[in-house]
Amino acid sequence: QVQLQESGPGLVRPSQTLSLTCSVSGGSIISGSHYWTWIRQHPGKGLEWLGFIFYSGSTYDNPSLKSRLTISIDTPENQFSLKLTSVTAADTAVYYCARVPFDYLGNGVHYYYMDVWGKGTTVTVSS
Amino acid sequence: SYEVTQPLSVSVALGQAARIPCGGNNIGSKVVQWYQQKPGQAPVLVIYNDNNRPSGIPERFSGSNSGNTATLSISRAQVGDEADYYCQVWDLSETVTFGGGTKLTVL
Repeated sequence: QVQLQESGPGLVRPSQTLSLTCSVSGGSIISGSHYWTWIRQHPGKGLEWLGFIFYSGSTYDNPSLKSRLTISIDTPENQFSLKLTSVTAADTAVYYCARVPFDYLGNGVHYYYMDVWGKGTTVTVSS
Repeated sequence: SYEVTQPLSVSVALGQAARIPCGGNNIGSKVVQWYQQKPGQAPVLVIYNDNNRPSGIPERFSGSNSGNTATLSISRAQVGDEADYYCQVWDLSETVTFGGGTKLTVL
């Protein structure tokens, strides 16, 4: 079965760039049925969606982060990545990657959901 | 952007039915998912497409969605069901929206 694993530095200095990678195993990242996503969770808080990417490279991004966020995909390596620039303490969070099946029900109704999650990686922004 | 609201907490007696609401303007026209998150763990999908259970999720979990409220129902609540539960929708603005989460306590 598909498994996802986040990796990257646990500590990032303020104003630097946060870079994380999600490695996909047990299945191909080249899938016409799935997007791939990053979600984060601030300490003691709820879930915040960051963005999706399709194997073709097309993306949907959270508008509140769009100017700082880049999500990319590396199909030969079966992984996708997140880069968040100019980080501050407010970017301290657990970052999750997940697989995203999607479907269209007609009448303009789409839906996307996260069915397989990585365990998450904690990123602290501090000097 | 679209907003969904959840109560901060819901309590249920052991063995009774729990209902966790997720409110939003005409949320019945959208498709709702639900996730369970236990402390220190990643979220787990428990309901998708309003009322579908992924394989491995007990039949005790069910969902409904109509009007301005979607509801996650858990019958015969167990101590192991204690967790935070999040609703999630895909909005026409092409963004994912999560509810703030509800902490379920089984008394």
